Amino acid sequence: DTEVTQTPKHLVMGMTNKKSLKCEQHMGHRAMYWYKQKAKKPPELMFVYSYEKLSINESVPSRFSPECPNSSLLNLHLHALQPEDSALYLCASSQDGTAPQYFGPGTRLTVT
Amino acid sequence: GEDVEQSLFLSVREGDSSVINCTYTDSSSTYLYWYKQEPGAGLQLLTYIFSNMDMKQDQRLTVLLNKKDKHLSLRIADTQTGDSAIYFCAERGFQRGGYQKVTFGTGTKLQVIP
Repeated sequence: DTEVTQTPKHLVMGMTNKKSLKCEQHMGHRAMYWYKQKAKKPPELMFVYSYEKLSINESVPSRFSPECPNSSLLNLHLHALQPEDSALYLCASSQDGTAPQYFGPGTRLTVT
Repeated sequence: GEDVEQSLFLSVREGDSSVINCTYTDSSSTYLYWYKQEPGAGLQLLTYIFSNMDMKQDQRLTVLLNKKDKHLSLRIADTQTGDSAIYFCAERGFQRGGYQKVTFGTGTKLQVIP
């Protein structure tokens, strides 16, 4: 199993809503990542979890709150987002912080 | 900081070879990667090369690395319409907090003409 899954595929939310994005992998990877990708741009790193602990936060606004409940799951909690937060949110995992990263299919988020 | 550059667009005819180029600035790069992204999808890891290698071949894909010039290329032999996608080069560089930062290039859109 070399798959990273993400739910939902698409999400439309208002600026006052609270929602969560979910990511799951069963490859035994110990590093997991959230990226944000705007159209026609490369992915931008948001957060890195290593052995279920947050190791990197790339100065992401607090309206994005990551959570790693166990070694297979990664969540991204969203609250009071802005329209400019609309993007493709990608989850990735790797064996550790130095190994190649494998990406999920992404969640297409639209903030209205 | 690290910088990874790619040309924006490449158009080839079906059956021809495609060569996608990438330049990077980080001399401490350890691994270099090629990812493929189809419309509306995530990134698919195609292949990667360790920085002490010059070349890696994997079926239709050939990666060439010129470490002196910090130049990486991906050659796709017998390009098919299914190869149409955006290709991102990425390099793994300096270590911070147990994590080696991966910097992605700007992406090259490959268009394959039937």
